Amino acid sequence: RKEVEQDPGPFNVPEGATVAFNCTYSNSASQSFFWYRQDCRKEPKLLMSVYSSGNEDGRFTAQLNRASQYISLLIRDSKLSDSATYLCVVTPGGATNKLIFGTGTLLAVQP
Amino acid sequence: EAQVTQNPRYLITVTGKKLTVTCSQNMNHEYMSWYRQDPGLGLRQIYYSMNVEVTDKGDVPEGYKVSRKEKRNFPLILESPSPNQTSLYFCASSPIPSYEQYFGPGTRLTVT
Repeated sequence: RKEVEQDPGPFNVPEGATVAFNCTYSNSASQSFFWYRQDCRKEPKLLMSVYSSGNEDGRFTAQLNRASQYISLLIRDSKLSDSATYLCVVTPGGATNKLIFGTGTLLAVQP
Repeated sequence: EAQVTQNPRYLITVTGKKLTVTCSQNMNHEYMSWYRQDPGLGLRQIYYSMNVEVTDKGDVPEGYKVSRKEKRNFPLILESPSPNQTSLYFCASSPIPSYEQYFGPGTRLTVT
C-alpha cells in the first residue's frame, strides 16, 4: 500500500462547480498535512496547510480525519484558473524528516 | 526576491558522464531536499538535509550523492548517470520539514 494515495483523476468539472478531492495516508503517526498545487511542468506551490480542526481559505476548504486517516480538499465555485494538479503531502513524523507526496489529482475546469 | 534557483534547467547527457545539478536558496532555510518527479509515481524524495553537513537519504537515494557545505547550497551529484535517472528534478527548501516547502523551477534531465 502506498504511504499517500490520491485519485489521479482527471476531474473534469464546469466553471462554478464544487469539487472535492480525498487523500489517504497509511502512517497513523503522521504529523503534518498539506495541499500543494502544481501547474503543468512547473514547480509545486503550497495551497494550504491542513489543520485538525479544518481550515478555509476563500473558496478552498481543507479537512483532516485522523481516525480514518484521510484529508480532503473542497473547491467551491471553480474557476478556469483552478485547473492544475493537486498534491497531497504528509510528514510521517517519528524519527524521520521526510516528506511524502501523493501522485496528485488532476483538475480540469471547463468553460 | 526570496527564491530557490537550480541550474541547469535542461540537460541532455550520456550514460556514465558525471554531472552536478546545483541548488541555491537565499532564505536562510535550514532544511533542503531533492525530489524527482516521474509520470505515475509523483514526487519522490531523493535526499534531504537538516543543516550544514547533515544529510540523509530519502526514498530513492540510489545513484545520487549530495553535499551541504554551505547553508544556501545543496548540489545533487550523479556520479554515473543511467537512463533510469531521466526525470524532472526539483530542489526545495524550508525553515523546518513541517513547514511550507519552496521549490526551485525544476531541472529536466535526459540520460541517453
